Amino acid sequence: DAGVIQSPRHEVTEMGQEVTLRCKPISGHDYLFWYRQTMMRGLELLIYFNNNVPIDDSGMPEDRFSAKMPNASFSTLKIQPSEPRDSAVYFCASSPAGELYFGPGTRLTVT
Amino acid sequence: AQSVTQPDIHITVSEGASLELRCNYSYGATPYLFWYVQSPGQGLQLLLKYFSGDTLVQGIKGFEAEFKRSQSSFNLRKPSVHWSDAAEYFCAVYDQTGANNLFFGTGTRLTVIP
Repeated sequence: DAGVIQSPRHEVTEMGQEVTLRCKPISGHDYLFWYRQTMMRGLELLIYFNNNVPIDDSGMPEDRFSAKMPNASFSTLKIQPSEPRDSAVYFCASSPAGELYFGPGTRLTVT
Repeated sequence: AQSVTQPDIHITVSEGASLELRCNYSYGATPYLFWYVQSPGQGLQLLLKYFSGDTLVQGIKGFEAEFKRSQSSFNLRKPSVHWSDAAEYFCAVYDQTGANNLFFGTGTRLTVIP
């Protein structure tokens, strides 16, 4: 298995632009998580899905953030409009239940 | 509520020396515990996990961890550190209340000096 795949690996955008991050989980994993990592706040859980259904989105910072999982093999995290304080590394992780398997992350820079 | 504390923000050890990274958890029942490692610019990789049974758990890359219920600890150890072990290490506890989530500690950065 190729593991959790995320794209793009790096994204640089201007404030106000829409940003879409993509994730392909490991096949067979029922859970998918989106995390954000910054120096100041560490790892933060944004949202997670079970069988494509959002279970807990209490970590989504604002309405500018939205996440979807249209099928078992794909999820997106969208920020619209983006702001400089959204600059961070965004990780997707999948899980069969228990341990999480992380993707390589998307480094987002909003200027 | 579950929580994880990693009291050491940064640790420096010499190559070949032994290593112990501390982790304390707060959880009412028997916890499921994990250690992850994150190399610079990389995602988190699972080192080892404890669910039940033997309290001394072996992981990848020569790491081990010991679950001590009386101390609410799950410290990570390695007898001889290699330069390639320099990374950030995260302890995590699994939320068994039905949320299937992991609570992560704030991490310990390991520096290895020659």
